[in-house]
Amino acid sequence: QSALTQPPSASGSPGQSVTISCTGTSSDVGAYNFVSWYQQHPGKAPKLMIYEVSKRPSGVPDRFSGSKSGNTASLTVSGLQAEDEADYYCSSFAGSNNLPFGGGTKLTVL
Amino acid sequence: QVQLVQSGAEVKKPGASVKVSCKASGYTFISSDINWVRQASGQGLEWMGWVNPNSGNTGHAQKFQGRVTMTWDTSISTAYMELSSLRSEDTAVYYCARWIALAGANWGQGTLVTVSS
Repeated sequence: QSALTQPPSASGSPGQSVTISCTGTSSDVGAYNFVSWYQQHPGKAPKLMIYEVSKRPSGVPDRFSGSKSGNTASLTVSGLQAEDEADYYCSSFAGSNNLPFGGGTKLTVL
Repeated sequence: QVQLVQSGAEVKKPGASVKVSCKASGYTFISSDINWVRQASGQGLEWMGWVNPNSGNTGHAQKFQGRVTMTWDTSISTAYMELSSLRSEDTAVYYCARWIALAGANWGQGTLVTVSS
């Protein structure tokens, strides 16, 4: 049960866009449209930002968007704001009793 | 509004067991799976397993085979995760989450479990 691969860090200036990748395999990201993304601020519980690759839960700004191509999923944050600075984790369904997370990406707003 | 309230921090000795509770409110308890995820200090998220309070089905990551038990009590809308044979590597914050569409839609506040002799 391997973890998904994310870049350890990403950054952008306020107002810019940044994209975080999440690379898996043909057994997880490539096989199912059940990729989700979570935002986590220090000392807080994760918050769901994207589910089923590109769907946003109610209350999540449309500045956050998700996509997938092959074995790689992506989270794009447009119009960066200071409060977007956080850790971001991807996750993908990978079959019965298998739900790996990525290692996390620390997003810094410069 | 949906809330998941977890039990308080625990300190356990190696080899002991810990049982974390997760009380749900604001939705019909049996309508959604509860999943458990843990996070060691400064580390990433690690999925542990799930329970469906309606069907009674449970499942867990292979890594925790033989050590984790997930139960629930519908009468008080509470899910439980018990981890046995604790070792220092189990020191982490343990989260419960209401799962919808194979994603964690609502999360508890987390329970710190410290394993130390």
